[in-house]
Amino acid sequence: AQSVTQLDSHVSVSEGTPVLLRCNYSSSYSPSLFWYVQHPNKGLQLLLKYTSAATLVKGINGFEAEFKKSETSFHLTKPSAHMSDAAEYFCVVSARQAGTALIFGKGTTLSVSS
Amino acid sequence: GAVVSQHPSRVICKSGTSVKIECRSLDFQATTMFWYRQFPKQSLMLMATSNEGSKATYEQGVEKDKFLINHASLTLSTLTVTSAHPEDSSFYICSARESVSSYNEQFFGPGTRLTVL
Repeated sequence: AQSVTQLDSHVSVSEGTPVLLRCNYSSSYSPSLFWYVQHPNKGLQLLLKYTSAATLVKGINGFEAEFKKSETSFHLTKPSAHMSDAAEYFCVVSARQAGTALIFGKGTTLSVSS
Repeated sequence: GAVVSQHPSRVICKSGTSVKIECRSLDFQATTMFWYRQFPKQSLMLMATSNEGSKATYEQGVEKDKFLINHASLTLSTLTVTSAHPEDSSFYICSARESVSSYNEQFFGPGTRLTVL
């Protein structure tokens, strides 16, 4: 079975400060992990993905995430938040052996204040 | 990159009518397309998986006679909400998986906002 838990439903930061969005996963197989961002009334945009290559994954807009198998975590970070980063973020797990389904976390709302 | 479009982006209809939503992969062939539903401030829920040329596979609790899915070609899947009711109002998002690419990567459309009056 696979599942993903986003530990914070809402994160608030000030512009220019670091961002940390936490995600823990559970999978019986070697997982693929993704972070997607969704702006209001928009579709999902892929930020980055981990598919068993380098454990530190760099994505778009300065975001990165580190796959830590021992901690079953895939936290999303950014050194300096911008106002435009305010959005909903979803951590997603999938595994080839478990079929094609993407399992979504419940999402974390990121607010950025000036 | 791979682009998926949806049409319409927003639709308002009367209760009892049927609404068709199209999902197209614009620059790649998609053997598999997925339909999700998203309630306000909630995560995406997979409704069904459709494979080109075969019947869709519906998730538990999703009425297949109410949400008709057709995947007639490698670039087009349609979701028809039949006899829509206000509780069907939601944000519907499709995604598509390339036939030759990362096995699990899906590319998402921009979504369709359905409001049933």
